[in-house]
Formats: sequence, structure tokens, C-alpha cells
Amino acid sequence: EVHLVESGGGLVKPGESLRLSCAASGFTFSSYTMNWVRQAPGKGLEWVSLISSTSRYIYYADSVKGRFTISRDNAKNSLTLQMTSLRAEDTAVYFCVRDGVLPPHDSWGQGVRVTVSS
Amino acid sequence: AIQMTQSPSFLSASEGDRITITCRASQAIRDNLAWLQQKSGQAPKLLIYAASNLQTGVPSRFSGSGSGTDFTLTIHSLQPEDFATYFCLQDFNYPRSFGQGTKVEIK
Repeated sequence: EVHLVESGGGLVKPGESLRLSCAASGFTFSSYTMNWVRQAPGKGLEWVSLISSTSRYIYYADSVKGRFTISRDNAKNSLTLQMTSLRAEDTAVYFCVRDGVLPPHDSWGQGVRVTVSS
Repeated sequence: AIQMTQSPSFLSASEGDRITITCRASQAIRDNLAWLQQKSGQAPKLLIYAASNLQTGVPSRFSGSGSGTDFTLTIHSLQPEDFATYFCLQDFNYPRSFGQGTKVEIK
């Protein structure tokens, strides 16, 4: 069974940094493209970033480009989102999401909460 | 960036009803459209991908159609567990984008 567990969330001040992690299990992590998707309180879903299985392809939403960095360690079955220069509008639950062989976003973690507030 | 417009934003329906949610892309996306369901306090769940393909384990009362810019999610005979918020997602290009969501509530 696919299992994705996010960690690293918390309360930070505007301008500060935070590093989110996602521990993957139950599948061959190194074979799958991974994403981060976020959801602000009471709002819809916003795709944040994607990294291909070998890290060759990386994409970001315009709202986080230049501030967030996605990376992965296939040896450790781990996905990371390094977030810098955080803003109040980055406050959200962040989900670690797998792209299936064909379908996108076929498996989701339970999410980790990030709050940016002074 | 491709904009995804869902309608309606809110839908009130009864158990057993047939409901339809639509999603329109600001440019053609072939069949690169997925539908997800999110229940309160839970992570989203993939229902349909490539516009009309049912994800494994999803009940057959869910169906999807469309291509290009206009897509539809239909729930035939709404069940109590179907009351949730539904999102469309385009994976045609980057940045990927979601519709704003349709909340389905009990009438």
C-alpha cells in the first residue's frame, strides 16, 4: 500500500524559511514523479511543484518560483520542499502527491500545516 | 497558465439524484483532465483521469467525459458518501492547475 507521510510544518514568521519532508513507502519511489500541492484554509487546491523520478525535470507554480525548491533522495525514499522568504499567503496544508504510471495525483499524503504569521 | 473554470461552485442534491459538474479549460488540453474528490478534513482522492478513465476502486456511478476545453463529471445516483467537494485538474502542461471546486451538499 502506498504511504506518504509529510513532516516539518509549523508556525513561522514572514520572511523565514521552512523545510518540508515526505517519507514514501509501499512502492518503488525512484520510479515515480512526485508533487507538492497546497490548500489554504477554506480554499481550493493549488499545485506547487513537481519533480520527475530522476530529478531531471522540475517545475514550479509561478507563485513560489524562486522561493521554493523541490528535491528528492531516491536512496532514502524521501521528497523535500525547501521554502524560503515565506509569506502570509503561503499559509496552507501542504500535501505530498504521487503521479501514477498513467494517472496524475493518484496517491496523497495526509498533509502538513504551514502557518506564516507575525 | 491554463485557467480551469468549474461550475457550479455549489450544488444541493438529494440521495439518488444524478448530478453533473463541468470544467472548462482556457485553452485546449486534449484529454489531460482528472477529477478528484475531497471530503472534509481529508486528503483529496483521484476519481477519474484522462477525462474518462475510472481510477481503480472508484464506483462505476462516477463517469467523466469531454475533450479539448469542456469536461464533465457525472455522478449517477448520488450516495451519502458522495457529498464532498470535487475538483478538476489539468495535467496537459505546467504549471498544472485545478478548478476552484464544486461543493455537493445534501438538499
